[in-house]
Amino acid sequence: NAGVTQTPKFQVLKTGQSMTLQCAQDMNHEYMSWYRQDPGMGLRLIHYSVGAGITDQGEVPNGYNVSRSTTEDFPLRLLSAAPSQTSVYFCASSYSGVKSPLHFGNGTRLTVT
Amino acid sequence: EDQVTQSPEALRLQEGESSSLNCSYTVSGLRGLFWYRQDPGKGPEFLFTLYSAGEEKEKERLKATLTKKESFLHITAPKPEDSATYLCAVQARGTTDSWGKLQFGAGTQVVVTP
Repeated sequence: NAGVTQTPKFQVLKTGQSMTLQCAQDMNHEYMSWYRQDPGMGLRLIHYSVGAGITDQGEVPNGYNVSRSTTEDFPLRLLSAAPSQTSVYFCASSYSGVKSPLHFGNGTRLTVT
Repeated sequence: EDQVTQSPEALRLQEGESSSLNCSYTVSGLRGLFWYRQDPGKGPEFLFTLYSAGEEKEKERLKATLTKKESFLHITAPKPEDSATYLCAVQARGTTDSWGKLQFGAGTQVVVTP
């Protein structure tokens, strides 16, 4: 059972480039979310989805887009990368958002130069 | 606004030296408080969920407790393999808009030396 799989593990972008961070889960979880983790700060919610076709913004959504066409996949798109988006990105899923623990992937470390 | 504060930021322990980590929170109605462990280069790994004041959960050398304002993670007789960053997160009660949203603290980095 793979759980939550994120690709790539590492990525370097130049300012203004775009890219997609991939996230897939094989646990048939309804809820999926994207967090970013920066030194000295807690994980911050970027976008989340409560099911296929439904997405919503979290705490820090600017500069990111998401879509949820299937239950399994929840890609995160950076439209025009900025140095402020240098961070470690985590995808997480849970069976039901209410009282269910999140299962995290191992992250994508993104550097924007 | 929901807030989660963890202390200390870092903790260095000798093997066998028990200690406690603190997670203070303010939230408009607590639905659940979660503890996670994070190893370097990895995603957070779920440890415990606590739902109401007075509740306690245990797993090996770890014990989590909850009051109305804070949670403690007690590490009893730690071993070097307990070295990790421990994260606390709260989920607020309320509308479906808060479904699944967690507010995380910045974490406590624990190093256990032999």
